[in-house]
Amino acid sequence: QSVLTQPPSVSAAPGQKVTISCSGSSSNIGNNYVSWYQQLPGTAPKLLTYDNNKRPSGIPDRFSGSKSGTSATLDITGLQTGDEADYYCGTWDTSLSAGVFGSGTKVTAL
Amino acid sequence: QVQLVESGGGLVKPGGSLRLSCAASGFTFSDYYMTWVRQAPGKGLEWVSDLSGGGTYTRYADSVKGRFSISRDNARNSLYLQMNSLRAEDTAVYYCARADYSSGTYYHHWGQGTTVTVSS
Repeated sequence: QSVLTQPPSVSAAPGQKVTISCSGSSSNIGNNYVSWYQQLPGTAPKLLTYDNNKRPSGIPDRFSGSKSGTSATLDITGLQTGDEADYYCGTWDTSLSAGVFGSGTKVTAL
Repeated sequence: QVQLVESGGGLVKPGGSLRLSCAASGFTFSDYYMTWVRQAPGKGLEWVSDLSGGGTYTRYADSVKGRFSISRDNARNSLYLQMNSLRAEDTAVYYCARADYSSGTYYHHWGQGTTVTVSS
């Protein structure tokens, strides 16, 4: 199973806000930076945020990342039907000396 | 623009071998760590291995250590993953990704993936 724990699914009505949590430990999230990825069905992952809370160019500010202690969060405000996808957190694990990803969260716009 | 194109996937029997390739373009390949990430059917992302720009430093997930070998040819702008002693649980889409680094490591550029199926 994944080193980082995410809820299997979250949902909200279009226009509302969803929050996805990512829980880890001191060997990963607690001492490293977190990134978030969106994966639409049948496509490669797409970077949404990096270094905990930075956005690459072209990513709308509806997507925002944060980190506190050994947990990280991705907020999606103004949810759109096009946001329906799987979302993954990722970071480095110093103990494993390997990258790690979260278990993934499926976002549904009700 | 950055482009990563994987190839080499296919159907292989348990215990067999396969070599994946990733052709890179649009950036100075030798300046970047490169990474393999896989995704089993219906499952999440799993980091597999990475390799430094000069090809000196390698790291592997415990699940593939001793069976997989990552390498690169900077003259050909290509990344490879030699997979030996394949198991059913290695069945997955394999993505190559460029490792970017600011304060931490992240993956901004991904290939489209190549599918590996291990089955008798």
